[in-house]
Amino acid sequence: ETGVTQTPRHLVMGMTNKKSLKCEQHLGHNAMYWYKQSAKKPLELMFVYSLEERVENNSVPSRFSPECPNSSHLFLHLHTLQPEDSALYLCASSQEGQGNTEAFFGQGTRLTVV
Amino acid sequence: DAKTTQPPSMDCAEGRAANLPCNHSTISGNEYVYWYRQIHSQGPQYIIHGLKNNETNEMASLIITEDRKSSTLILPHATLRDTAVYYCIVRFSSGGYQKVTFGTGTKLQVIP
Repeated sequence: ETGVTQTPRHLVMGMTNKKSLKCEQHLGHNAMYWYKQSAKKPLELMFVYSLEERVENNSVPSRFSPECPNSSHLFLHLHTLQPEDSALYLCASSQEGQGNTEAFFGQGTRLTVV
Repeated sequence: DAKTTQPPSMDCAEGRAANLPCNHSTISGNEYVYWYRQIHSQGPQYIIHGLKNNETNEMASLIITEDRKSSTLILPHATLRDTAVYYCIVRFSSGGYQKVTFGTGTKLQVIP
């Protein structure tokens, strides 16, 4: 248990559905991240929130919409996804501003788009 | 951010030391070397990090060369549960948050 909890662990959705991924961290961290890991590919950084503000958006399509209502929660809203969006979506958090610290990852949500 | 180069795969006998190399020849003076590992279909797990000096914790040891262009992660007594993909990362810091770029890592197979 890393202190970062992601729900659901598995999700199957159709291309016309709308769903949301949830991430919650119990570590008091001030930065949160969404990563995507497709089969046999490296992790790709999607979004970064620092102090609840989005500070990084790595050219992610608008069908992925992040939301960070407070420092402990991060959502990824999904709509009209494509089959190639099927992947493991990972959330992470870290405490910035106090020297070098490691990022803690959740267990991920395995998303399948049909 | 500095890129890293790792061998794609390695085998290690159970109970023996696993030595995982990483090259980061373009690392800058204030960048740290971090190691994570990812067991199949789980989230990456932090292992250890360092700047210049060698580091040791309950999981592993990190040896960084004097010129800082390469490092080695050592798992002193590998077990079957250490089978995973190991990522060597140079931390790029911008704007007060981590912008961590993962490469393809080394797939370590611990053999009984």
